[in-house]
Amino acid sequence: SQKIEQNSEALNIQEGKTATLTCNYTNYSPAYLQWYRQDPGRGPVFLLLIRENEKEKRKERLKVTFDTTLKQSLFHITASQPADSATYLCALDKGSGNTGKLIFGQGTTLQVKP
Amino acid sequence: GAGVSQSPSNKVTEKGKDVELRCDPISGHTALYWYRQSLGQGLEFLIYFQGNSAPDKSGLPSDRFSAERTGGSVSTLTIQRTQQEDSAVYLCASSPQGATDTQYFGPGTRLTVL
Repeated sequence: SQKIEQNSEALNIQEGKTATLTCNYTNYSPAYLQWYRQDPGRGPVFLLLIRENEKEKRKERLKVTFDTTLKQSLFHITASQPADSATYLCALDKGSGNTGKLIFGQGTTLQVKP
Repeated sequence: GAGVSQSPSNKVTEKGKDVELRCDPISGHTALYWYRQSLGQGLEFLIYFQGNSAPDKSGLPSDRFSAERTGGSVSTLTIQRTQQEDSAVYLCASSPQGATDTQYFGPGTRLTVL
């Protein structure tokens, strides 16, 4: 069956360090993978999208990698700040291609300590 | 501009009652999605509306769940004869035409079935 998994344990790091979150999937050949941020009591907010033919994507302090052979994406936040503390979700399109029907991982909670 | 709005923000109901949850998408967005997020779980796709096409209902968990989208804008998710396992946060998202890979989420409705 199709699965998308994120480390369910919270990640605690010191301010200024790089946070690295992992997303693994099985039985998919996604056209793209997305990362969202979710704060308590709020809906997810789109951060980055990386397509299957892209190895790496950057946006300010964020970097995403996508390895379709390993079926894994890594999400990095460099020079982390306490304001980066949130739950981060990865998501794939459930269908073949771009159907818009997303399947999400359960999220990894990041806590950045000052 | 205004984002996706949902109402009510919280709903407490008794088992067996019907509930209606409302979503106002971003003006001009043609695609609208409903998801469910249960405690400790990832977001679960429920239903997808795209323009005037028939909705994709493949994620609805039972025939107690239904949704409508009137005039290509506002959507209502109805749960009949609610059960305790229906307790979750119900999230709505919308996308502009041709960009279903980027979804903008509302704040969600927290449903509690007693």
